[in-house]
Amino acid sequence: GQNIDQPTEMTATEGAIVQINCTYQTSGFNGLFWYQQHAGEAPTFLSYNVLDGLEEKGRFSSFLSRSKGYSYLLLKELQMKDSASYLCAVRDMSTLTFGKGTMLLVSP
Amino acid sequence: GAGVSQTPSNKVTEKGKYVELRCDPISGHTALYWYRQSLGQGPEFLIYFQGTGAADDSGLPNDRFFAVRPEGSVSTLKIQRTERGDSAVYLCASSIERTGNTEAFFGQGTRLTVV
Repeated sequence: GQNIDQPTEMTATEGAIVQINCTYQTSGFNGLFWYQQHAGEAPTFLSYNVLDGLEEKGRFSSFLSRSKGYSYLLLKELQMKDSASYLCAVRDMSTLTFGKGTMLLVSP
Repeated sequence: GAGVSQTPSNKVTEKGKYVELRCDPISGHTALYWYRQSLGQGPEFLIYFQGTGAADDSGLPNDRFFAVRPEGSVSTLKIQRTERGDSAVYLCASSIERTGNTEAFFGQGTRLTVV
């Protein structure tokens, strides 16, 4: 089984930087994904990590430490449209399990 | 198709009735997942198919829930004797394979309301 933990809510200001943490416990690790989900919409893919280190993609970066069972998603130059739920998901040998999501509210 | 298609987009049914939810994955995607999502929660895993077979059905809550994928493409999630607690958005996702950097693409979901 898997256990994925992330904060329920975060708030930040437009233009700022925010880091959303995710810790996980899994019986077999085969990659970690971050998804963004706006209210009433389907989740959309943001990033993937399978090796330790930082993956950068534009304003978004994701970090992984497999020994610590830890990842974070870093969002820079926040925009109002970044207000959404951010889902951490871990793939093991058979499936893809999601955390409960972190609701990010960006204010002007 | 261009993306994962789920039908119907909305379904209202009476308690005790039987419902079928359909998922048409991206062409060529062998892996297919069903999730259930309640308001304010993350997607809850239900079942995973690799090709025609259910590789992991450990997330199905009870024997009222069943899913099939007879030809390795379209999948149907079937719920018998629906209960009010089954009300949720049912999401389907597909990916090329189950390993590696193969992101899962989600459909828009079916919002099921049991009254």
